[in-house]
Amino acid sequence: DAGVTQSPTHLIKTRGQQVTLRCSPKSGHDTVSWYQQALGQGPQFIFQYYEEEERQRGNFPDRFSGHQFPNYSSELNVNALLLGDSALYLCASSEPGTRNSPLHFGNGTRLTVT
Amino acid sequence: DAKTTQPNSMESNEEEPVHLPCNHSTISGTDYIHWYRQLPSQGPEYVIHGLTSNVNNRMASLAIAEDRKSSTLILHRATLRDAAVYYCILLAGGTSYGKLTFGQGTILTVHP
Repeated sequence: DAGVTQSPTHLIKTRGQQVTLRCSPKSGHDTVSWYQQALGQGPQFIFQYYEEEERQRGNFPDRFSGHQFPNYSSELNVNALLLGDSALYLCASSEPGTRNSPLHFGNGTRLTVT
Repeated sequence: DAKTTQPNSMESNEEEPVHLPCNHSTISGTDYIHWYRQLPSQGPEYVIHGLTSNVNNRMASLAIAEDRKSSTLILHRATLRDAAVYYCILLAGGTSYGKLTFGQGTILTVHP
């Protein structure tokens, strides 16, 4: 049973460019959350998708947007990249119907902005 | 969100028990206590969670103080694979929808 899978694993972009990161949730999970983890810091919540809608959002600018598809997979888009967007981007999924169910994380996409 | 306080780092020897403390003095009655850990080069991994009573699973035990203002994650026999950053997180009951607020966590070093 595959867990949460993310692609690509590593990515290098130039300041000002746009990037799309992809996530496939664990089988049976319908909710996807995205987190940003800067070096040496704990992950920070970006937003969560459920039923193809953004349900919650953290303190991130509108340059960060997302999408969830009917098969529950998700994309994270970041426009006008800044050097400070360099981080590990983590996707997490959880089971339907239980608000406190544990999150299952992927191993992330390492984004470097030069 | 209620805040948690953890030591920056702890050390242990292999095959010895490890007690990782967490203070959460402003916890509310409906907050669940969750623990996650993050191994090097991996995403966080769920360890255990509880509300009021002590909890056990195959990975660890969670001891919750009677006043709920602190808790302790117990690894009964540390292995080298347990070296990780451990995060103690409070999750508001019924409203969180998986929005975890991570702090700095405790870096656990396990010596052979």
